[in-house]
This record gives sequence, C-alpha cells and structure tokens, in this order.
Amino acid sequence: QKEVEQDPGPLSVPEGAIVSLNCTYSNSAFQYFMWYRQYSRKGPELLMYTYSSGNKEDGRFTAQVDKSSKYISLFIRDSQPSDSATYLCAFGRGDSSYKLIFGSGTRLLVRP
Amino acid sequence: DARVTQTPRHKVTEMGQEVTMRCQPILGHNTVFWYRQTMMQGLELLAYFRNRAPLDDSGMPKDRFSAEMPDATLATLKIQPSEPRDSAVYFCASGLGTQYFGPGTRLTVL
Repeated sequence: QKEVEQDPGPLSVPEGAIVSLNCTYSNSAFQYFMWYRQYSRKGPELLMYTYSSGNKEDGRFTAQVDKSSKYISLFIRDSQPSDSATYLCAFGRGDSSYKLIFGSGTRLLVRP
Repeated sequence: DARVTQTPRHKVTEMGQEVTMRCQPILGHNTVFWYRQTMMQGLELLAYFRNRAPLDDSGMPKDRFSAEMPDATLATLKIQPSEPRDSAVYFCASGLGTQYFGPGTRLTVL
C-alpha cells in the first residue's frame, strides 16, 4: 500500500463549481498536512497548511483533515479558470527531518 | 519578496556531459531540499541539507549524482555523466515544516 494516495484526475469542472480534492494516507505518524498548487511549468506553491483535524479556511479554500479516517480534502468554492493547476497534498511527520511526503497530484481544469 | 531561486531554468545537453544546477535558498532557511519531478514518478526527494551538512541523499543515484552546499546561500546538484533518463524538472526547496519551492531547472539530456 502506498503511503499516500491521490487521484491523478484530470478533474474538469465549470466555472463557479465547488471542487473537492482528496488524499488518503496510511502513516499515523503524519502530524501536519499541506496542499500545494502547481501551475504548468512552475514550482509548487504552498496553499494551505494545518496541524489538526477539522477545517481551516482561507478565502475560497478550505482544508479539511480527518485523522481518524486518514483522509484530507481541499475544497475550492466559486472555482475560477485561474484555479486550473495541479494540486498536490503533502504530509510531514513532525520529526527533526522536516521531510515531506507528496501525493502524485490531481490535475484540475476549470472551464470558463 | 523572499523566494528560492534556481539556475539555469532550462538546460539541454548531450548524454555523457556534466550538468550543474544551482539553488539559492531563502535567506535564513537552514534546510534545503532537492527534488526531481517526472510525469511517471511525480515529485521525488533526492537529497537534503541542514546547516549545510547533508542529512539524507538516499534518493540519489550515487554513482552519478552529487549534492553540495558550499555556503549558506548556495546549493548545487551535479550529474556526471548525464543520461537521457535524467531528463526531468529539478526543484530546490527551503524551509522547516513548510517548504518553499524554486521555479525549477528543466533538464533535457539527448
């Protein structure tokens, strides 16, 4: 079993739709949870970062963590064509290595 | 606006040639990571440094790849000799906990 599973997509939605992106993980040692957005031919950029179970909101973006189910989600409200990108989930153990484990990424296309 | 910088942004070379990629981490970040990204494998960690000392390079092919951090403002990744299978985008990232990525070096080995 892979440590992190993420559906590669592509996910195609109309502008204005609510988008749900998901990752599952198997390692109980993961302590912090991130979402990165990567535009074509760019480096990943940090979008959301959380330690705890529950929801964290930032503008149109909501990150949700369910540690009991080992499941994280990113919701995008009122999606825009500019949200078209690949979204990668990432996990950290909170140990001294600071290494992150990345999902393979979900490609999102928001159609005008 | 603090950011990670990488040079060159693009590199095309022939098999067998040496390739050197450079990274300037965000000032004050003492942990630097090198990643490789391909369509097939996704984002793979090659090596990382803390306070300029290599902590883990288990993701790198040892016979041809080497990573160094000559000073706090410069990290390098070298491939010698390069092979077509090394064609990928190489990212440098710096930070603790959250990592901040550079724009990448797109390497093509013919």
